[in-house]
Amino acid sequence: DGGITQSPKYLFRKEGQNVTLSCEQNLNHDAMYWYRQDPGQGLRLIYYSQIVNDFQKGDIAEGYSVSREKKESFPLTVTSAQKNPTAFYLCASSEIPGGAFFGQGTRLTVV
Amino acid sequence: GEDVEQSLFLSVREGDSSVINCTYTDSSSTYLYWYKQEPGAGLQLLTYIFSNMDMKQDQRLTVLLNKKDKHLSLRIADTQTGDSAIYFCAEFEPDKLIFGTGTRLQVFP
Repeated sequence: DGGITQSPKYLFRKEGQNVTLSCEQNLNHDAMYWYRQDPGQGLRLIYYSQIVNDFQKGDIAEGYSVSREKKESFPLTVTSAQKNPTAFYLCASSEIPGGAFFGQGTRLTVV
Repeated sequence: GEDVEQSLFLSVREGDSSVINCTYTDSSSTYLYWYKQEPGAGLQLLTYIFSNMDMKQDQRLTVLLNKKDKHLSLRIADTQTGDSAIYFCAEFEPDKLIFGTGTRLQVFP
């Protein structure tokens, strides 16, 4: 089945630790996005990529890093510099005009 | 700047129509979208409308676009309890999708 897969579904991070969230798509979409969602709030854009080996910062990129070495993959690393990482992270891919397709999300909790 | 605004809550009786509103600021947006999010899940694309259209209907869903006022609405006919969720509008700018704050729709019997 075509789709977008995020893993893991739940992730626990210790203080000062870097963690990487996986996002894979087999829709052959060029564009991919990472969003952060806090309880009761909307989606805020972290990073996005329009083509392989290129990506741009969104509104809240500080404390995060990404790579886009393959069209199918757009992993997000939450670094120790991100002081408040507990949130629900959503990855999406898109091909205009069809809109973006989302993964099921990763819930990250700092312990 | 970019800003997409929605009211936070809407409560409707089962069987009634629901109307969720959205205002956006980027007049150059070419496509506008409606998404549905159920608890603990990702977003599901419901429908979209191209900026040169005024209306689009898809089964129980009707999207209205007023470009002059930069206002987008989603009407759900015969609202069911399964429609309870958060609804997001989104606009596509030249290279990224910007989402509204979301409207939580509660359907009561």
